[in-house]
Amino acid sequence: DAGVIQSPRHEVTEMGQEVTLRCKPISGHDYLFWYRQTMMRGLELLIYFNNNVPIDDSGMPEDRFSAKMPNASFSTLKIQPSEPRDSAVYFCASSGTRSYNSPLHFGNGTRLTVT
Amino acid sequence: AQKITQTQPGMFVQEKEAVTLDCTYDTSDQSYGLFWYKQPSSGEMIFLIYQGSYDEQNATEGRYSLNFQKARKSANLVISASQLGDSAMYFCAMISRGGRRALTFGSGTRLQVQP
Repeated sequence: DAGVIQSPRHEVTEMGQEVTLRCKPISGHDYLFWYRQTMMRGLELLIYFNNNVPIDDSGMPEDRFSAKMPNASFSTLKIQPSEPRDSAVYFCASSGTRSYNSPLHFGNGTRLTVT
Repeated sequence: AQKITQTQPGMFVQEKEAVTLDCTYDTSDQSYGLFWYKQPSSGEMIFLIYQGSYDEQNATEGRYSLNFQKARKSANLVISASQLGDSAMYFCAMISRGGRRALTFGSGTRLQVQP
């Protein structure tokens, strides 16, 4: 069984460039989450989807960040324009439906460095 | 609102000994779930163990057990017979039925197992 797949694993870009992070959730999972991990702020929820619909985007830092889920098997997180303070590890996670006690299954993360 | 507190930034334990990682939580919900995740130096987030607020018995998964004290709002992780491979960051997280579907994480505890 394939887990959550994120790409790329590492991304280095210059300030001002557009960055797109990709995620494929576990098949059959109805919830998809984007988290950001930094030393200063720990693990923060950015946004989550249920059945491809964004439910809570209150964690998205600002308008430079956007996330989409065009279908059940794919999601993107876009940063445009990127800034050095966006440097972090971005995790995608998915979980099954109905049971609120289902664990989140995380991808391996994308380490983003903005210079 | 819900909050997770992990007061131990770092812990040391000798190989083969047991160690307890502390976690306290705050929520006004009666129904909630508590999770522990392990993050080794390679960066992935690994689900370890789950405890529901109405579970009468403490959860156990192999060498991991959860010391759940509901009245004190604590959910400490106990690792028995520590191994060198247990060296990692450990995160406590919670979700409440009445709240949003996503996990709220604590700041983590870095465990180092010494030979």
